[in-house]
Amino acid sequence: DAKTTQPPSMDCAEGRAANLPCNHSTISGNEYVYWYRQIHSQGPQYIIHGLKNNETNEMASLIITEDRKSSTLILPHATLRDTAVYYCIVRVGSGTASKLTFGTGTRLQVTL
Amino acid sequence: GAVVSQHPSRVICKSGTSVKIECRSLDFQATTMFWYRQFPKQSLMLMATSNEGSKATYEQGVEKDKFLINHASLTLSTLTVTSAHPEDSSFYICSAGGQEGYNEQFFGPGTRLTVL
Repeated sequence: DAKTTQPPSMDCAEGRAANLPCNHSTISGNEYVYWYRQIHSQGPQYIIHGLKNNETNEMASLIITEDRKSSTLILPHATLRDTAVYYCIVRVGSGTASKLTFGTGTRLQVTL
Repeated sequence: GAVVSQHPSRVICKSGTSVKIECRSLDFQATTMFWYRQFPKQSLMLMATSNEGSKATYEQGVEKDKFLINHASLTLSTLTVTSAHPEDSSFYICSAGGQEGYNEQFFGPGTRLTVL
């Protein structure tokens, strides 16, 4: 699976959009981009995933560049409960039976 | 989304004893389960992948005789830390995959193991 690079930490004011970048310049054509987050001392939570097109769900939006070498996770209106470590993961296929390789992630701190 | 539970949530044991951690998929059948460990302020590290009814596949550097994994049914996988030592103290997390109709793995809440 391709390696990802994320900033170690970011701050965001409550109510503002949080834009979390991820670089995956060695991504292959059959590799998906997944985002998970982990709130302190809990198991990771799935957020969103995509292959080529931008995706949106009730939690977030995922913007993937045309060359697929980078992506941005957008939390449109961050709240204090969004404070967590966010992991960008690239892996082959969208099935659930293949393993996830977690990097160091971005620690997002949402403040008042 | 699907629910995965772990038991116990927290365990303290003496050095040299064995500890069993259970991972259950509560409302779906998981053909594949994964076990991770996480040290403080570090990322999750995959330990092994288990498929129901077959032997687990361990990641490089993980001792299979120390971390025994059993996936006897489609809803239960267990991790046994044998002859635990203080360096085994960690946060152990399982996830379940292989659910038809889903694109994501579902993670349990984790088990914090402290070995004295």
